[in-house]
Amino acid sequence: EVQLLESGGGLVQPGGSLRLSCAASGFTFRSNAMSWVRQAPGKGLEWVSAISGGGDRTYYADSMKGRFTISRDNSKNTLSLQMNSLRPEDTASYYCAKELVLGAVGTVGFDIWGQGTMVTVSS
Amino acid sequence: EIVLTQSPGTLSLSPGERATLSCRASQSVSSNYLAWYQQKPGQAPRLLIYSASSRATGIPDRFSGSGSGTDFTLTISRLEPEDFAVYYCQQHVGSWTFGLGTRVEIK
Repeated sequence: EVQLLESGGGLVQPGGSLRLSCAASGFTFRSNAMSWVRQAPGKGLEWVSAISGGGDRTYYADSMKGRFTISRDNSKNTLSLQMNSLRPEDTASYYCAKELVLGAVGTVGFDIWGQGTMVTVSS
Repeated sequence: EIVLTQSPGTLSLSPGERATLSCRASQSVSSNYLAWYQQKPGQAPRLLIYSASSRATGIPDRFSGSGSGTDFTLTISRLEPEDFAVYYCQQHVGSWTFGLGTRVEIK
C-alpha cells in the first residue's frame, strides 16, 4: 500500500524551530519528487516546498525562503522539513505529498498525501 | 504569482444534481498544470483531475474537468452523498498555488 506518514508536529513558541518528517512506503521513493503543503485551521491549501527525487533541486514558496529547509534521505525513505524562526502565521497542518510526474511534462499534481501533522506556533 | 479565483464560494445542491465549479486564473495557465482536489473534513486532499481534464487513478467518471487559458471547470455530473466536500483548483506556473476552494453542501 502506498503510504505517507508525517510526524514531528507540536506546540512551539514564536521564534522557535521544529523538524517535520514524512515516512514513505509502497513506492520507489528515490524516483519521486516530493512536496510539503500546509493548511491553516479553517483555511485553504498553501504549497510550502518541493524537492527532486535525488534531492539536488529544492524549491520554496517566497514566504518560507530562508526559514524552511526541505531535505530527504532516500536510504531511509524519509522526507524532512526543518522550520526555523517560526511565526504564529505558520500555525497549520503540514502535509507531505508525492508529486505525479508525466514524462517530459513534469509534475502535474500531487497524487498521494499523508494525513498531516499539526504545528502550533504560540506563546 | 498567479492567483486562482474559485466560484462560487459555496454551492448548495441536492444529491443527483449536476455541480459546476469554476476556477479562473489571473494569467494564462498551461492546461498541463491545472489540477483539482477534493477535501473532506479531517482528511487530506485527494487528487481528482490533473492536466485540466485527466482523471486520477480510481476517480469515478462522474467527475470531469475542462477548460484552457484562464478559465477551467470541474463538473460533477450527478452528485453522490460522498461528493459533498470542498474542492480546490491548483496551478503550476513558477510555483504552485491553490484557489480558496468551493464548498459543495447538501441543500
